[in-house]
Amino acid sequence: AQSVAQPEDQVNVAEGNPLTVKCTYSVSGNPYLFWYVQYPNRGLQFLLKYITGDNLVKGSYGFEAEFNKSQTSFHLKKPSALVSDSALYFCAVSSSGGSYIPTFGRGTSLIVHP
Amino acid sequence: NAGVTQTPKFRILKIGQSMTLQCTQDMNHNYMYWYRQDPGMGLKLIYYSVGAGITDKGEVPNGYNVSRSTTEDFPLRLELAAPSQTSVYFCASSSDLGTEAFFGQGTRLTVV
Repeated sequence: AQSVAQPEDQVNVAEGNPLTVKCTYSVSGNPYLFWYVQYPNRGLQFLLKYITGDNLVKGSYGFEAEFNKSQTSFHLKKPSALVSDSALYFCAVSSSGGSYIPTFGRGTSLIVHP
Repeated sequence: NAGVTQTPKFRILKIGQSMTLQCTQDMNHNYMYWYRQDPGMGLKLIYYSVGAGITDKGEVPNGYNVSRSTTEDFPLRLELAAPSQTSVYFCASSSDLGTEAFFGQGTRLTVV
């Protein structure tokens, strides 16, 4: 069975500092990896994805993520955090060898302090 | 282009009542999903559909039913509401398996 782990319930960072939100996964076959963001009382919005190709993926709002096959990780990063980045972030995985239906992590609350 | 539309946004049910959560998408997506979100638990898949007339159970299907008579609509039915079904429900769709999902704004359901 495929699974996703987001080891941090909450990440705190000062505005202007770089941020990292961690995600590790377990799948059979090749992974399809996604990051979504959820603002209060809203649905999830797609940020970026890795399917194949370059390990560094760039997405919306200046976010990027690095696929690391050996560490089975897909950490979300941003060079300079904004207060408006404060939200709930979800990592999700599906796979070519297992379930195509996305499995979501538990979410990480990102808080950016002014 | 409305994307994925869910109704209602909020609902309070009494134990034992039934209701249908509506979900419609206008992107001609074949794949549709229902998730529930509980605090600190992430999203749990209830049911999914890979096309009109085809549905299948997800991780937490007990107490729910779905139908998919058209590509656009994927309603979720609660027959006998229980307090354990208090949650936020999200409908989502995608164009293909392995592609990003588009989510509705959610239905916040409270069972009392």
